[in-house]
Amino acid sequence: DAKTTQPTSMDCAEGRAANLPCNHSTISGNEYVYWYRQIHSQGPQYIIHGLKNNETNEMASLIITEDRKSSTLILPHATLRDTAVYYCIVRSYYGQNFVFGPGTRLSVLP
Amino acid sequence: GAVVSQHPSRVICKSGTSVKIECRSLDFQATTMFWYRQFPKQSLMLMATSNEGSKATYEQGVEKDKFLINHASLTLSTLTVTSAHPEDSSFYICSARKTGNQETQYFGPGTRLLVL
Repeated sequence: DAKTTQPTSMDCAEGRAANLPCNHSTISGNEYVYWYRQIHSQGPQYIIHGLKNNETNEMASLIITEDRKSSTLILPHATLRDTAVYYCIVRSYYGQNFVFGPGTRLSVLP
Repeated sequence: GAVVSQHPSRVICKSGTSVKIECRSLDFQATTMFWYRQFPKQSLMLMATSNEGSKATYEQGVEKDKFLINHASLTLSTLTVTSAHPEDSSFYICSARKTGNQETQYFGPGTRLLVL
């Protein structure tokens, strides 16, 4: 599975949109982009995933560039409860497990 | 849907004893479950892949005789830490994949193990 690169940490003001970038320049055609987050002392929580098209659900939006070499997770109105470590993971559909990197520590500030 | 539970949520044990952690998929069947370990301020590291009715596959460096995995049903996998030592103290997290659906894994809330 392709490797991803994310900023170590980010801050966001409460109520504002949080835009978390992820680079995955070596992604191959059958690999999906997944986003999970981990709130302190809890298990990872699934957020969203996509292949080529932009995706949106009740939690977030995922914007994937046309060349698929990078993506952005958007939390439209961040709240204090969105403070967590966010993991961007690239994995093929038939891939076994998810490989977690260090992720981005998002701090939502009041 | 897609809820995964773990029991216990935290456990303290004495060095040399064994501890069993349960991972259950509550509202779906999971042919495959995964066990991860997370040390403080580090990311999750896969320990083993558990398939219902067959032997688990362990990652390099993970002792299969120390971390016993049993996946006897489509909704339950157990991890037993045998002869636990203080260095086994960690946050153990399981995940489950819905049978017939390779796309997404759902994670449990984790079990914090402290070995004294």
